[in-house]
Amino acid sequence: SQQGEEDPQALSIQEGENATMNCSYKTSINNLQWYRQNSGRGLVHLILIRSNEREKHSGRLRVTLDTSKKSSSLLITASRAADTASYFCATSGTSGSRLTFGEGTQLTVNP
Amino acid sequence: ETGVTQSPTHLIKTRGQQVTLRCSSQSGHNTVSWYQQALGQGPQFIFQYYREEENGRGNFPPRFSGLQFPNYSSELNVNALELDDSALYLCASSRTSLNEQFFGPGTRLTVL
Repeated sequence: SQQGEEDPQALSIQEGENATMNCSYKTSINNLQWYRQNSGRGLVHLILIRSNEREKHSGRLRVTLDTSKKSSSLLITASRAADTASYFCATSGTSGSRLTFGEGTQLTVNP
Repeated sequence: ETGVTQSPTHLIKTRGQQVTLRCSSQSGHNTVSWYQQALGQGPQFIFQYYREEENGRGNFPPRFSGLQFPNYSSELNVNALELDDSALYLCASSRTSLNEQFFGPGTRLTVL
């Protein structure tokens, strides 16, 4: 069963707008990672945030983590048509090993 | 490009057959993980290999087996294929089991 749940399942915005995706999880984590996937291809690693971090930035990406609420959010600013993809959060437990993925958010950025 | 390669890209098999999928990890990475992604769902963890030893396994039956070689490349073997095994199989490599995992392009398996 999936630990993470992304919200919303689908998001459609206009180019230039910001996109926010949320992820909730159930058990203690070592870190949380966000990935992008285009049309059933491989996953592209976007950003990793560790359990002792609250916020992280990478280019147009901003990730927050609230371990008390067991939730994370991914913000993509000034979106582009090329950002159209599925976005997944994945958690890694305290013993490492597996990543547990959510069902993903399908983001569509309209030109 | 992550430096993680997988072969073959696509594969069609029939029920009951056996399949071997291959993965070459990124240089400097000693950990390889395998995931199964059914259409419209998130990837599900199959197992992980660290320095040639299995280091964790998901909820998959024993007919899913794996191997890691001294150069840290890996194989996923599936015996007695079932229709529900049709999926995208992803491998990921990482420097250790606690670091970012970098994914290959996947192998699309279709079981008829």
